[in-house]
Amino acid sequence: AQTVTQSQPEMSVQEAETVTLSCTYDTSESDYYLFWYKQPPSRQMILVIRQEAYKQQNATENRFSVNFQKAAKSFSLKISDSQLGDAAMYFCASKSAQGGSEKLVFGKGTKLTVNP
Amino acid sequence: DSGVTQTPKHLITATGQRVTLRCSPRSGDLSVYWYQQSLDQGLQFLIQYYNGEERAKGNILERFSAQQFPDLHSELNLSSLELGDSALYFCASSVGLRGSSGNTIYFGEGSWLTVV
Repeated sequence: AQTVTQSQPEMSVQEAETVTLSCTYDTSESDYYLFWYKQPPSRQMILVIRQEAYKQQNATENRFSVNFQKAAKSFSLKISDSQLGDAAMYFCASKSAQGGSEKLVFGKGTKLTVNP
Repeated sequence: DSGVTQTPKHLITATGQRVTLRCSPRSGDLSVYWYQQSLDQGLQFLIQYYNGEERAKGNILERFSAQQFPDLHSELNLSSLELGDSALYFCASSVGLRGSSGNTIYFGEGSWLTVV
């Protein structure tokens, strides 16, 4: 079974600064995907970034990047030049890439506050 | 806009009642997932359908059931409702096939259920 752990219930960052959200996961599968989702106060789940486990290169989406350490089963999210609109709950999730169940397994989330 | 449509957006009902939540997946997506998000819990996977057939079942109560129709829309039926069933219910969809574009899961805006 896959598990995802986010050890930081809350984080805060000053506007324009950089913040890193931590995530560790456990899976026995060799082929899987990792995701970060953002949930603003509207409660909508918005995909931030995804990483294929077979790719060594860290994924990047504009101000968002990940540090994927496969051996350590670590998948942290770095937000650069933080903006007020980045304030939200951030969920780390893993997903098997094999056939059969393809459900997402989520961590408990990290609440990010951005201070002006 | 993720392309996943959920109705109703908000629903208030009494204990013991039955409700149906509806979901239309993104165009072309064959997999539909249902998740429950309570205030004190993270996102809990309920059930997945792929092209009309149940593919995976998570922590779904026996009072709950779901189905996916030939046009690929899905319904989640919640019966004998209890106060503890109050939550945000998400529908999500994905292509459901292996491949770089086939494994991202996109979420709808959710259906807020309040049981009084």
